[in-house]
Amino acid sequence: GAGVSQSPSNKVTEKGKDVELRCDPISGHTALYWYRQSLGQGLEFLIYFQGNSAPDKSGLPSDRFSAERTGGSVSTLTIQRTQQEDSAVYLCASSLGLVGADTQYFGPGTRLTVL
Amino acid sequence: QKEVEQDPGPLSVPEGAIVSLNCTYSNSAFQYFMWYRQYSRKGPELLMYTYSSGNKEDGRFTAQVDKSSKYISLFIRDSQPSDSATYLCAKRGSGGSNYKLTFGKGTLLTVNP
Repeated sequence: GAGVSQSPSNKVTEKGKDVELRCDPISGHTALYWYRQSLGQGLEFLIYFQGNSAPDKSGLPSDRFSAERTGGSVSTLTIQRTQQEDSAVYLCASSLGLVGADTQYFGPGTRLTVL
Repeated sequence: QKEVEQDPGPLSVPEGAIVSLNCTYSNSAFQYFMWYRQYSRKGPELLMYTYSSGNKEDGRFTAQVDKSSKYISLFIRDSQPSDSATYLCAKRGSGGSNYKLTFGKGTLLTVNP
C-alpha cells in the first residue's frame, strides 16, 4: 500500500517568508509525527498528534513553528518568518497509535532551504 | 550529555566484511531501542528493535543491548553494497512519552564492491 507522502519534496524560500509543508499519513494511522533532520543536530522530534487528543508540541523550537492536523488525517507544518537556521529536512511519520511497540513509518521528507 | 550518542563515522568497508555500529545511552532506565536505516534522500526505515538487554537476530543483522555498559550495537554480517546507508540508533521515551523517539546523529556506512 501507499506509504507516508510529503510535499513539496524541495522548497527554496527567502528569509522572512512563510512556508507550509504537507504530510499525508498512511491510511488508518491515528498517530502522526513531525521531525527535523539537520546536519549538526541529527533527527529531532518536533510535534506529535494522536487522534483527538491535544498534540505534544514540546519539540517545536520557537513560536514561529506551528502544525495542525485536519480531520485526523493530513497535517501541515507551518514556519513563519523563516530564518536560515530553519534550513533542514522536515520528516513526517505516522503509526497505528498502539501502546507499547508502535512502529513509526517515515515519509521521504521535505528539503527546506532558506536563502 | 545527550541521551543517545553515536559515532558519526563515516565507515567504509569492503564487501563481505562484518560491520559493527555502536551507540551509547545515558539513562539505565531506557529499555526500548531501535535501529533505523536511511538511504540517501529517503526517510528512515525501521530495521530492528530490541527491548531491555540481550541479542536479537534477523538474517544478516544482529542488534545487541548491554545494559551494564549502556551500549547498543548493530552487527551486519556479509555486508553488501546495498547496505550502504546511514544507520540511526534510537530509544523510545518512557511512561506517557513512549511515542517520542530520540535518535543518535547517525553513522554513514559505505560498503565497497
